Amino acid sequence: GAGVSQSPSNKVTEKGKDVELRCDPISGHTALYWYRQSLGQGLEFLIYFQGNSAPDKSGLPSDRFSAERTGGSVSTLTIQRTQQEDSAVYLCASSLAGTSGGPDTQYFGPGTRLTVL
Amino acid sequence: AQSVAQPEDQVNVAEGNPLTVKCTYSVSGNPYLFWYVQYPNRGLQFLLKYITGDNLVKGSYGFEAEFNKSQTSFHLKKPSALVSDSALYFCAVSPLSGGYQKVTFGIGTKLQVIP
Repeated sequence: GAGVSQSPSNKVTEKGKDVELRCDPISGHTALYWYRQSLGQGLEFLIYFQGNSAPDKSGLPSDRFSAERTGGSVSTLTIQRTQQEDSAVYLCASSLAGTSGGPDTQYFGPGTRLTVL
Repeated sequence: AQSVAQPEDQVNVAEGNPLTVKCTYSVSGNPYLFWYVQYPNRGLQFLLKYITGDNLVKGSYGFEAEFNKSQTSFHLKKPSALVSDSALYFCAVSPLSGGYQKVTFGIGTKLQVIP
């Protein structure tokens, strides 16, 4: 079946512009995660959505970052007034609700490579 | 706060030799533990996970990992490395608490298998 898809695959923007990154999770997956992968920094957690619960936004690095998930499916990560340090690969993952309320296996999208000039 | 440490940026091993990629964690209570792999120019893929039960977990591509509660470790192992195992490996942890699913990843370890 279809996996997690992300668009665009690459985005080059100028400093100060806003960007929107899209994630289409696997159908039926209630959990959705956004991560940022920078060279030498591993995977940095950004935000987590679980069903109708309030999202965990604890990883968002500044108020320029926001995300929403519409209808419990598609998610959009928005970065306002982009800075050069925002350049990274942004990964989206989705999963089923795990057993015992914990996390289940995450399925990752291919990522969006963001370059801020 | 939960955290993961992967103390080695890179591990080099000769093809056919056993490999170990180290991971230690810190979490409140009991952990969920995961290993993911990222092949060059490809997305992250699930390898294996530990929730409860047998401390030795077997996963994809012949990999296994051993959960050691006293040492708070979850090292990834394979008896005989293949060149195709060369990739970036991530360890991840989440607390075994009801309803909370935030997963924290380590910085990653690059595995280089030398022919």
